[in-house]
Amino acid sequence: AQSVTQLGSHVSVSEGALVLLRCNYSSSVPPYLFWYVQYPNQGLQLLLKYTTGATLVKGINGFEAEFKKSETSFHLTKPSAHMSDAAEYFCAVRPRAAGNKLTFGGGTRVLVKP
Amino acid sequence: GAGVSQTPSNKVTEKGKYVELRCDPISGHTALYWYRQSLGQGPEFLIYFQGTGAADDSGLPNDRFFAVRPEGSVSTLKIQRTERGDSAVYLCASSLTGVGAEAFFGQGTRLTVV
Repeated sequence: AQSVTQLGSHVSVSEGALVLLRCNYSSSVPPYLFWYVQYPNQGLQLLLKYTTGATLVKGINGFEAEFKKSETSFHLTKPSAHMSDAAEYFCAVRPRAAGNKLTFGGGTRVLVKP
Repeated sequence: GAGVSQTPSNKVTEKGKYVELRCDPISGHTALYWYRQSLGQGPEFLIYFQGTGAADDSGLPNDRFFAVRPEGSVSTLKIQRTERGDSAVYLCASSLTGVGAEAFFGQGTRLTVV
């Protein structure tokens, strides 16, 4: 069974500082990888995804993530945090072989300090 | 509609009552998913429909939970004999069928069992 671990349930960053959210997965075969953002009282919105090809993926709002097979990781970064980045972020995986369900990590809540 | 619509947005019910939660997916999306998000946790998969049939219902916690999608569009999640532990946000998502197809999420129904 697949699992997703997000290190750190809460992260606090200063405005303008680097945002780094960690995600590791456990799967015998590298899955499809996703990052979602959830703003208060809103649904999940896709930030970016990795399916195949280039391992550095760029998403919306200046975020990017790099798939590292050797580390079974898909960490999310943004060079300069903005106040509007305050939200909860979820890493998710979906198997390549069969099935469509997403397995989510526990989430990381980002607080941006002025 | 423009996105996935879930109704009601909030539902408060008494322990032991029956509830129905509705999901109206994006037009043309053949795949539909239900997830449950408890406070402070990531979404957990409940059930996945491909068209009218449940392709994977492995996430339904017990036989009190049931979901239907009779015409391959709108879906209803039904919970019998509700318990306080059923309190959570129930999320619906829909997608096209395909490699790495993006799942679009609704804003969820917040269910509170008192």
